[in-house]
Amino acid sequence: KQEVTQIPAALSVPEGENLVLNCSFTDSAIYNLQWFRQDPGKGLTSLLLIQSSQREQTSGRLNASLDKSSGRSTLYIAASQPGDSATYLCAVDGSSNTGKLIFGQGTTLQVKP
Amino acid sequence: NAGVTQTPKFQVLKTGQSMTLQCAQDMNHNSMYWYRQDPGMGLRLIYYSASEGTTDKGEVPNGYNVSRLNKREFSLRLESAAPSQTSVYFCASSKGGPQPQHFGDGTRLSIL
Repeated sequence: KQEVTQIPAALSVPEGENLVLNCSFTDSAIYNLQWFRQDPGKGLTSLLLIQSSQREQTSGRLNASLDKSSGRSTLYIAASQPGDSATYLCAVDGSSNTGKLIFGQGTTLQVKP
Repeated sequence: NAGVTQTPKFQVLKTGQSMTLQCAQDMNHNSMYWYRQDPGMGLRLIYYSASEGTTDKGEVPNGYNVSRLNKREFSLRLESAAPSQTSVYFCASSKGGPQPQHFGDGTRLSIL
């Protein structure tokens, strides 16, 4: 059974710092991996989707990498800002590309001014 | 641009009552999903609909039923609510396959 783990559960950094969020999964047979952001009391916002054949995706200050063989993904946030404070979740689609996502429990990020 | 709209936003039920959570999307997406989010458990898929007219079970379907009313609407029904179903319920939609999912703001459901 696929399991997705995100460590640490919480992270606090000063504004301007570059940071890396980690995601690991137990079954390397995935079709894609997605990173989401969740603000308190809100739904999830899709940040990046990496296909299994890709190594990384970039959007603005965000860069996500994928290493299927080791079961790991990282989300790199450059020059962090207080507005980046949120919970970041990763999810894998391992079921014939149906969109049946298995989520990690998230990393709650606080960026201090 | 509404995206994914969920109603109601909050609801309190008594054990044994029934209710239907509504979800509608205006992005012409093929696939729709229902998740629940619980502290310490993360998000778990309840049911999904790959396309209009089809539905299938997710990870935690027991105690729930769904209806894909048309391409826009996907409802989740609790026939006899139990305290263990207290949760935040999210609806999502996507074009299908390897496409990002778009989420609503959730329904916060408490069952006493």
